[in-house]
Amino acid sequence: QVQLVQSGAEVKKPGASVQVSCKASGYAFTNYGISWVRQAPGQGLEWMGWIDSYNGNVNYAQKFLGRILVTKDRSSDTIHMELRGLKSDDTAVYFCARLVWGYYYMDVWGTGTTVSVSS
Amino acid sequence: DIQMTQSPSSLTASVGDKVTIICRASQNIDGRLSWFQQKSGMAPKLLVYAASTLRNEVPSRFSGGGSGTSFTLTITSLQPEDFATYFCHQSHSAPYTFGQGTKLEIK
Repeated sequence: QVQLVQSGAEVKKPGASVQVSCKASGYAFTNYGISWVRQAPGQGLEWMGWIDSYNGNVNYAQKFLGRILVTKDRSSDTIHMELRGLKSDDTAVYFCARLVWGYYYMDVWGTGTTVSVSS
Repeated sequence: DIQMTQSPSSLTASVGDKVTIICRASQNIDGRLSWFQQKSGMAPKLLVYAASTLRNEVPSRFSGGGSGTSFTLTITSLQPEDFATYFCHQSHSAPYTFGQGTKLEIK
């Protein structure tokens, strides 16, 4: 079955970087994109960006430009999301989700990765 | 950025009731609207995409509608497992934005 398995929880200090991984299985990896969405404690959902798993093209939310880097590893069907210059308000659960082209909707979501930023 | 405004922000209903959640976009999003259900501590689950297309495994008591800037999610005959938070989401223009959520609670 289609699955997105994410890497484990991270605890970081302000100013550090974090990398979250998302391993896909059960489908043709390069036929879909991957979006990243985060959710701060008790808050709503925030879209961060997407990557085309075929050619690596990316589309980031302007809010994260200069701090985010999303890359693909086709050899392992894994997408990596790096967020730099962490601040306390980056504390959130980070989700990857499979992106279906055309209507650009997210049909399968990852397990979620908790990132805590604290001094 | 396209603003997505959901109403109500919370809703109390009983098993068997019919409820409707409204989502309004600040501009025309050409039907690029999805609805998600999220339970506490879990990832969101896709219910509806392209405004009105029900995902295969989603029960038929869920339905989506609307066009342009105004959209609805309707749940007929609420079941105990439907009590959760619901979000709308536009994928017309980046940054793709979400509504603030509607928390559906049992009466």
